[in-house]
Amino acid sequence: DTGVSQDPRHKITKRGQNVTFRCDPISEHNRLYWYRQTLGQGPEFLTYFQNEAQLEKSRLLSDRFSAERPKGSFSTLEIQRTEQGDSAMYLCASSLATGTGNTGELFFGEGSRLTVL
Amino acid sequence: AQSVTQLGSHVSVSEGALVLLRCNYSSSVPPYLFWYVQYPNQGLQLLLKYTSAATLVKGINGFEAEFKKSETSFHLTKPSAHMSDAAEYFCAVSKTGGYQKVTFGTGTKLQVIP
Repeated sequence: DTGVSQDPRHKITKRGQNVTFRCDPISEHNRLYWYRQTLGQGPEFLTYFQNEAQLEKSRLLSDRFSAERPKGSFSTLEIQRTEQGDSAMYLCASSLATGTGNTGELFFGEGSRLTVL
Repeated sequence: AQSVTQLGSHVSVSEGALVLLRCNYSSSVPPYLFWYVQYPNQGLQLLLKYTSAATLVKGINGFEAEFKKSETSFHLTKPSAHMSDAAEYFCAVSKTGGYQKVTFGTGTKLQVIP
């Protein structure tokens, strides 16, 4: 299967610890997105990469959050000094953009569920 | 900024009945509109999309949606519900052209009653 993969699928941590999530997009996709989803809500945009460049960050992404996409391939999302409010499903998606832009079709991974105790 | 509003967080239909999930959008420019479906413990999957071509869009699994500019709506329908349609459905919007951040609604959970 060559879809979007995320690791780990589940993470339980204590408040104050750091966590890191990894996303491997579909190989030919040049765009990569991170969303956060809490119970009863739709996915909320966090950040987006075009190749290795991080082009937009949501105001939701506090300075405890950092995302990277070295070499324009996989991406990592790190949360430092976790808080209980960080408990959520972290979704990664990828897409292929051409010279005329893309039509917004995102291919999602199954998500990484974070529980902060 | 683009946004979508989904009316009804939970919808129940009987198997074989019409499915109607409502979505209204707000956009200062012509939008692209999408419906995504999320089955339990799975990622979101694109059901259908409107990209300024035909206003009636057909998607997978017998779903369709109609773009109505005058009503700023993009409701999702299916003539006959199947048990396998039970899932959460998200309406989403983005700008046309160039980079587009996709903004999602809060979702509608569809229950199909046998």
